[in-house]
Amino acid sequence: NAGVTQTPKFRVLKTGQSMTLLCAQDMNHEYMYWYRQDPGMGLRLIHYSVGEGTTAKGEVPDGYNVSRLKKQNFLLGLESAAPSQTSVYFCASSYLQGSLREQYFGPGTRLTVT
Amino acid sequence: QQQVKQSPQSLIVQKGGISIINCAYENTAFDYFPWYQQFPGKGPALLIAIRPDVSEKKEGRFTISFNKSAKQFSLHIMDSQPGDSATYFCAARKSGANNLFFGTGTRLTVIP
Repeated sequence: NAGVTQTPKFRVLKTGQSMTLLCAQDMNHEYMYWYRQDPGMGLRLIHYSVGEGTTAKGEVPDGYNVSRLKKQNFLLGLESAAPSQTSVYFCASSYLQGSLREQYFGPGTRLTVT
Repeated sequence: QQQVKQSPQSLIVQKGGISIINCAYENTAFDYFPWYQQFPGKGPALLIAIRPDVSEKKEGRFTISFNKSAKQFSLHIMDSQPGDSATYFCAARKSGANNLFFGTGTRLTVIP
């Protein structure tokens, strides 16, 4: 059981470049999330998905797009990277139902935009 | 606008001491309050959680105290150990929802 995995672990982009971050989970979770973590800001939700083919905006969605074509994968895209998107990105997943609906996090992707 | 306010930003405690981290919220729709622990280079992991129908929950050396009327909750780490050195995040979730609102984090350092 790998849990939640993220690819890549590190990436450096130039302003205006595009990239896609991949998140995969093998726990058959319905819910998946993308967060960004910045110093002094905690974790902020970018987008989330309640199931295959569905996505929704979180707290800070601007500049990002997402897709969930398969239940186990959740992709985060940056179409035109900006220095303000330098951050550590975490993917998480959880069950839709249940008393706890605990979120399980991946190891993160550190993105630097120059 | 931060929905969950967390303090302090950083905390240094001697080995064997008690670490206390505080969080406050305004939205009365929140009904689930987890604490996450994050080690450097890793993702956050659930440490302990509480619902507002109880005032305290204890798991080993970790205790959550919850004050519903004051809309505050806190994490107490008893007999703090160097291995507890990490960043701790409080969070809150609305009834019926799955999305979490996180505090800004507390970096705990336990000195041997």
